[in-house]
Amino acid sequence: DAGVTQSPTHLIKTRGQQVTLRCSPKSGHDTVSWYQQALGQGPQFIFQYYEEEERQRGNFPDRFSGHQFPNYSSELNVNALLLGDSALYLCASSLRDSISYTEAFFGQGTRLTVV
Amino acid sequence: AQSVAQPEDQVNVAEGNPLTVKCTYSVSGNPYLFWYVQYPNRGLQFLLKYITGDNLVKGSYGFEAEFNKSQTSFHLKKPSALVSDSALYFCAVRDPSGGYQKVTFGIGTKLQVIP
Repeated sequence: DAGVTQSPTHLIKTRGQQVTLRCSPKSGHDTVSWYQQALGQGPQFIFQYYEEEERQRGNFPDRFSGHQFPNYSSELNVNALLLGDSALYLCASSLRDSISYTEAFFGQGTRLTVV
Repeated sequence: AQSVAQPEDQVNVAEGNPLTVKCTYSVSGNPYLFWYVQYPNRGLQFLLKYITGDNLVKGSYGFEAEFNKSQTSFHLKKPSALVSDSALYFCAVRDPSGGYQKVTFGIGTKLQVIP
């Protein structure tokens, strides 16, 4: 059973460019959340997708957008990249409707470096 | 709003000694509480959770945590530390009231187990 998979693992972008990160949730999970983890910090919630719609959003600008596909996989898009967007981006999957709450499972992350 | 505090940036403990990593939380309702561990350049691995029931929760790799509602704490403990336990530990909270699934993380505590 594959866990949460993210791609790519690393990438380097130039300031002002756009980037797309991808996530495939754990089998059986229907909810995907994205987090940004800056160096030396805890993960910060960006947004969460369920039933192909953004359900909750953290304190991130509109440059951060996402999408969820019918197979529950998800993309995170960041436009007009800033140096401060350099971070580890984590995808977490979970099951929204369950009798007993299931914890979120995390992927290995995508390390984004903006130069 | 929900929040988590991890008051110690780093905890040092000798191998074989008991360890405690502290966490306090703030939510408006009854909390769901989690501990995750992160090794360098890796995603987060789930250790244990408190949803309801017994205040002492046992998790992976011999870790346990005690939920204390009056002190709003959820400290992580292990009776005998191993060098391989050295990593970054994150406490997290979710307030399930209102159906939201956002999970808020602390800034992390670095655990260093000294041989």
